[in-house]
Amino acid sequence: QKEVEQNSRPLSVPEGAIASLNCTYSDRGSQSFFWYRQYSGKSPELIMSIYSNGDKEDGRFTAQLNKASQYVSLLIRDSQPSDSATYLCAVRGFPNFGNEKLTFGTGTRLTIIP
Amino acid sequence: KAGVTQTPRYLIKTRGQQVTLSCSPISGHRSVSWYQQTPGQGLQFLFEYFSETQRNKGNFPGRFSGRQFSNSRSEMNVSTLELGDSALYLCASSLAGAGEQYFGPGTRLTVT
Repeated sequence: QKEVEQNSRPLSVPEGAIASLNCTYSDRGSQSFFWYRQYSGKSPELIMSIYSNGDKEDGRFTAQLNKASQYVSLLIRDSQPSDSATYLCAVRGFPNFGNEKLTFGTGTRLTIIP
Repeated sequence: KAGVTQTPRYLIKTRGQQVTLSCSPISGHRSVSWYQQTPGQGLQFLFEYFSETQRNKGNFPGRFSGRQFSNSRSEMNVSTLELGDSALYLCASSLAGAGEQYFGPGTRLTVT
């Protein structure tokens, strides 16, 4: 089982709709969760971080975390063509010395259809 | 505040050569992490430095090494380059490692 799993199948969403991206992780001790957006040919850009169970909203973006189910998601409301990118889920384990690395999923490619 | 900078942005090397990549973190950030990104493997963690000490290391061969200087700038070195080392090499900085990481633009390495 991969440490961090994302749906590798590309996702297409009409403009103005809600895009839902999902991620599961295997390490129950994981403490920190991040969503990065990566445009083609560019480096990853941090868009959301979440550390406790529940929802965290930032503009059109909402991150949701359920540690019991080992599940984290990203919702993008009112999707815009500029949201078309690959979205990477990243997880960090318990912040002991030696465990600060981020483990990334393989990403989900999102296309917003005008 | 200036972001993470990486030099060079593009590099073409021949098999067997070695290469050194440089990363300057965001001012005040003391942790620098390096990642390799390829289409097949995605983002793979190489190593992380904090206060000039390597704190974490990924599953890469010993040909991959790094260091961090007292001003938090970091370099990574790859010796005896192989074709499979062709990738985008990304560095990311954070305040202390346990917080949010911010990526630089990357160095695109092509090995021929």
